[in-house]
Amino acid sequence: ELKVEQNPLFLSMQEGKNYTIYCNYSTTSDRLYWYRQDPGKSLESLFVLLSNGAVKQEGRLMASLDTKARLSTLHITAAVHDLSATYFCAVDSTQGTGNQFYFGTGTSLTVIP
Amino acid sequence: EPEVTQTPSHQVTQMGQEVILRCVPISNHLYFYWYRQILGQKVEFLVSFYNNEISEKSEIFDDQFSVERPDGSNFTLKIRSTKLEDSAMYFCATLSGLALGETQYFGPGTRLLVL
Repeated sequence: ELKVEQNPLFLSMQEGKNYTIYCNYSTTSDRLYWYRQDPGKSLESLFVLLSNGAVKQEGRLMASLDTKARLSTLHITAAVHDLSATYFCAVDSTQGTGNQFYFGTGTSLTVIP
Repeated sequence: EPEVTQTPSHQVTQMGQEVILRCVPISNHLYFYWYRQILGQKVEFLVSFYNNEISEKSEIFDDQFSVERPDGSNFTLKIRSTKLEDSAMYFCATLSGLALGETQYFGPGTRLLVL
């Protein structure tokens, strides 16, 4: 079974600081997704990364993908309280057929004023 | 903006009872999924559905689970005889296609509590 691991699982950071969340996966895949989940809410799509070396940025979040290392990162720049949420990465395990997605363990981010 | 809807938002049932969770996908989407999330844990894939049949299913999706799209709009997940460990949030997700950049859209979820 494909494994998708994130670290850290919990992250507490001060406003204004930078940090990176890591997502490692155990099989070849060239599609990786990042989602945000607020407490008690559904999942909101943040990024879709489709090829090796892909980098996408939205506001204070930037995601990248290294398919050779089977690693994606979500970098947070100058964190603000509104970024507090749980972040999940997900991998399409079926070579782009869209048939099965595995989610990472999640990283619970708390930004402290 | 189009959205995925799910009903009910909450369901409480007795162990052994059947439940049906409903999802209305975004109208032009072709791929449908059910996931579950036990409180505080990760999102777990249950099943994918395309062209009116199951594409993939996980180990969790055993004989007690079934999916169908009875009327071309609703997409349902049925649990025939619920167990305590079925208590979770169930999310429906839909995907328009596999073109570059497409992503799944998630519904708001149904919180199922089995007593």
